Amino acid sequence: DAKTTQPPSMDCAEGRAANLPCNHSTISGNEYVYWYRQIHSQGPQYIIHGLKNNETNEMASLIITEDRKSSTLILPHATLRDTAVYYCIVRVAYLNDMRFGAGTRLTVKP
Amino acid sequence: NAGVTQTPKFQVLKTGQSMTLQCAQDMNHEYMSWYRQDPGMGLRLIHYSVGAGITDQGEVPNGYNVSRSTTEDFPLRLLSAAPSQTSVYFCASSRERGGANYGYTFGSGTRLTVV
Repeated sequence: DAKTTQPPSMDCAEGRAANLPCNHSTISGNEYVYWYRQIHSQGPQYIIHGLKNNETNEMASLIITEDRKSSTLILPHATLRDTAVYYCIVRVAYLNDMRFGAGTRLTVKP
Repeated sequence: NAGVTQTPKFQVLKTGQSMTLQCAQDMNHEYMSWYRQDPGMGLRLIHYSVGAGITDQGEVPNGYNVSRSTTEDFPLRLLSAAPSQTSVYFCASSRERGGANYGYTFGSGTRLTVV
């Protein structure tokens, strides 16, 4: 799996968009970008994933650059409940092994 | 629909004791995994299963055993607990290999302390 680089922490004001970057410059053509989050020691929660096109669901949007070397997870209107550690994972979709790094600790402030 | 249920939520063991962490899912998922999370660190894969009767090792399998006799259950056994196994353990399941299209569903965790 390709290695990812995320900032260790970020702050965001409540109600504003939270943009979480992820660098994956060694990504291979068959590797997807997955995002999970972990709220205060609960089990991780799947957010979204994509290969090369931008993706959107009810939780977030995922923007992947054209060269696929980086991506951004966007929470359009962050709330206090979005405070969590966000993990960007790059991997071949159907492999059994999924490796979590240190992630980005997002703090949403009132 | 309970999702992934882990028991117990908390456990304290003495060094050398054995125990089983229970994991059950009611979503008819074929794929199940066990992870551990040490303070301030990401999750590391211990063991996984692609279906009843089939298990394989992950990144940190030493000191742990698993079995998968049914689709629903995937227990994790600590053979002889050591302080290094103090951690939070998460069980996860997915409807397809690798959680490819819908992601993994995680349980709420078991917090284990070995003294």
